[in-house]
Amino acid sequence: QVQLKETGPGLVQPTQTLSITCTVSGFSLTSYYMQWVRQTPGKGLEWMGFIRSGGSTEYNSEFKSRLSISRDTSKNQVFLKMNSLKTEDTGVYYCAREEQLYAAMDAWGQGASVTVSS
Amino acid sequence: DIQMTQSPASLSASLEEIVTITCQASQDIGNWLAWYQQKPGKSPQLLIYGATSLADGVPSRFSGSRSGTQYSLKISRLQVEDIGIYYCLQAYSAPYTFGAGTKLELK
Repeated sequence: QVQLKETGPGLVQPTQTLSITCTVSGFSLTSYYMQWVRQTPGKGLEWMGFIRSGGSTEYNSEFKSRLSISRDTSKNQVFLKMNSLKTEDTGVYYCAREEQLYAAMDAWGQGASVTVSS
Repeated sequence: DIQMTQSPASLSASLEEIVTITCQASQDIGNWLAWYQQKPGKSPQLLIYGATSLADGVPSRFSGSRSGTQYSLKISRLQVEDIGIYYCLQAYSAPYTFGAGTKLELK
């Protein structure tokens, strides 16, 4: 059974770094791209970036150099780190598995809610 | 970046009615278009991929079509469980871009 679960801090202070872990089961990270998508009140659903099955990454330039995606295949985990947080980064952060043949996100985590506030 | 213009922003329809939602791409994206449904408090769920292919477990009343750079999602007979927000997503090139969403409500 395919499962994805995000775990994050819930509350982060402005200017600090956000770290979210996506733990997966039922499939191998070396066979799928793993996506990060966020949903904010201001911008709706927003694609953040992905890590390919081979380990290389692609990012949305909207996040410039703030964003980093990595993984630990031995632990079946994918990581999102984003620094210099602002209040407008408040939202829900999702990891999703991408079926490569059609570039479709066919499995999603339940999302990690993040509030950026002092 | 490729822009996805989704319409309408909201839609009120009756049970058993036919519902159509469209997304217009700002350039050719081939069939790299997917549709997602999101219910309140839940994550998006894949409905259609490759512009026209039905995802596993999705009822056959959902269908996708393409005409040039315009993509449509059709619900042939609206059911109560279809209420939610629908999004298109282009995955032709990075950055992937979502449509702004269509909120579907019961009349």
